Amino acid sequence: SQQGEEDPQALSIQEGENATMNCSYKTSINNLQWYRQNSGRGLVHLILIRSNEREKHSGRLRVTLDTSKKSSSLLITASRAADTASYFCATPPDSSYKLIFGSGTRLLVRP
Amino acid sequence: GAVVSQHPSRVICKSGTSVKIECRSLDFQATTMFWYRQFPKQSLMLMATSNEGSKATYEQGVEKDKFLINHASLTLSTLTVTSAHPEDSSFYICSARDRKGIMNTEAFFGQGTRLTVV
Repeated sequence: SQQGEEDPQALSIQEGENATMNCSYKTSINNLQWYRQNSGRGLVHLILIRSNEREKHSGRLRVTLDTSKKSSSLLITASRAADTASYFCATPPDSSYKLIFGSGTRLLVRP
Repeated sequence: GAVVSQHPSRVICKSGTSVKIECRSLDFQATTMFWYRQFPKQSLMLMATSNEGSKATYEQGVEKDKFLINHASLTLSTLTVTSAHPEDSSFYICSARDRKGIMNTEAFFGQGTRLTVV
């Protein structure tokens, strides 16, 4: 099963522009995580935001969390061609240990 | 960061045979590992939770006799696709979380296994 939806499904931007991806989820959560996947590879953890946090930064990444709307956003500033990948949000639903992934956003950054 | 090693990265097998995929946590102990399946351009679908020393917990719709999971030690879980058919062709990914502070921690992923059944 999937926890929720991400939008857009695909995003194409020019290098240097910002990229924003949104994630919605269904159940109560302790935290929400964002992961990146290069084509045909495993996933790399980007950032974790706890349910009592509203915003978190890590380098060029900015994540927000709105638990009242059950939504999160990932902003990548000053994008680079190397940021081209698929981005997934993931949550442990109902305080479980497992991670359920959103549908993902495929980001293409054109040089 | 912690390392999870998954092997093999690619495997091609004949229909009707079984394939074993290994997932190892190299520098931490993982009482729980997770197996996912991913179709092209789609998200990861959780198949099962592998528990060290006990039976795996399968997600709804996943055949436990088809996808055998063994988690014999704190660093190794295996997924065996039994009597594989072409529709089992997919990308399989394992992940593990450190047993310490598991609730609010990231998961570490293997590199994935591309299974092709011919």
